[in-house]
Amino acid sequence: NAGVMQNPRHLVRRRGQEARLRCSPMKGHSHVYWYRQLPEEGLKFMVYLQKENIIDESGMPKERFSAEFPKEGPSILRIQQVVRGDSAAYFCASSPASHNEQFFGPGTRLTVL
Amino acid sequence: KNEVEQSPQNLTAQEGEFITINCSYSVGISALHWLQQHPGGGIVSLFMLSSGKKKHGRLIATINIQEKHSSLHITASHPRDSAVYICAAPFGTSGSRLTFGEGTQLTVNP
Repeated sequence: NAGVMQNPRHLVRRRGQEARLRCSPMKGHSHVYWYRQLPEEGLKFMVYLQKENIIDESGMPKERFSAEFPKEGPSILRIQQVVRGDSAAYFCASSPASHNEQFFGPGTRLTVL
Repeated sequence: KNEVEQSPQNLTAQEGEFITINCSYSVGISALHWLQQHPGGGIVSLFMLSSGKKKHGRLIATINIQEKHSSLHITASHPRDSAVYICAAPFGTSGSRLTFGEGTQLTVNP
């Protein structure tokens, strides 16, 4: 049973470009969470999704950031018009249901030049 | 305000020592998570516990719901235990939005 997959593992973008981060949950998991870790800082919640639904997006910046988890395919975290401050490690986690243990992916390290 | 606090921030130990990391949180929760972040950045879930004590190998986690406090213990520590240990509590109406402590950087010297 493969773990949580994230790709790409490293992503370099220039200011103003778009970044798309993908997360494939563990088999049988329908709940996905995105977290961000800024350089030298702790992990912060961004968004919690279930298949085709956003359950909690209270941690998402108001502009430029969006997330989806379609019926088929991976969850996508999209950052439009990236700025240097978006440089961070973005982790996703999955669980089979809410209030369950969350399993983390290896993260995507985004660098904005 | 939902908060999670850890202590100590940094911990250096000699191989073989018994390690304790503490975590306290501000409001009642259904369960607490302990995570390990490797030097390379990967995150591993160690425990999720809602009461009492759990043990996995040399790792032991305890929680006191009434006192809103949890501890992570490592017995017979080894240099490969060197990592950042993070506790996290689920807040929010969904009960799944994890709020993380700042982490404890553990270094175990041979």
